[in-house]
Amino acid sequence: KQEVTQIPAALSVPEGENLVLNCSFTDSAIYNLQWFRQDPGKGLTSLLLIQSSQREQTSGRLNASLDKSSGRSTLYIAASQPGDSATYLCAVRPGSNTGKLIFGQGTTLQVKP
Amino acid sequence: DTEVTQTPKHLVMGMTNKKSLKCEQHMGHRAMYWYKQKAKKPPELMFVYSYEKLSINESVPSRFSPECPNSSLLNLHLHALQPEDSALYLCASSQELGQGNQPQHFGDGTRLSIL
Repeated sequence: KQEVTQIPAALSVPEGENLVLNCSFTDSAIYNLQWFRQDPGKGLTSLLLIQSSQREQTSGRLNASLDKSSGRSTLYIAASQPGDSATYLCAVRPGSNTGKLIFGQGTTLQVKP
Repeated sequence: DTEVTQTPKHLVMGMTNKKSLKCEQHMGHRAMYWYKQKAKKPPELMFVYSYEKLSINESVPSRFSPECPNSSLLNLHLHALQPEDSALYLCASSQELGQGNQPQHFGDGTRLSIL
């Protein structure tokens, strides 16, 4: 059974810091891995999707990497800003054709001005 | 602005009421999903529709009844809910189930409270 873990559960950093969020999964047979952002009381915003054959994806100040063999992904946020404060969720799509996403518990990030 | 629109944003209902949640997308996506999210927990998949046919039911109680009347619209009919069903209900869509390189796009959800 696929399990997804995110560490740390919460993180507080001063503005301007570069930071890394971690995601690990137990079964390396995945279609893709997706990183989302969720603001309080809101839905999920897709940030980056890494296909199983890819090693990383970049969008602006965000860079996500994938090491499928070791069951790990990281989300790197450069030059953090207070507007980056949110909960970040990673989700894996298992090695089947269901479209089902299995989510980690999330990392709640606070960036202090 | 989200491209997946959910209505209503908030819903309060009694345990004997019947209500429906609505989800709409105009991105031409053929896969649509319902998720349930409890406070401080990640979303959990409930149902998946592919080309307007139910593809996955994650053993959801029958008091939740999904419907996909056309390719742009997804409903979730609610009847005789329990207080533990109070949660944020999220709708999502993606191009097709078989395409592993396409992200799921989420709406802002309906916050449901059962009295």
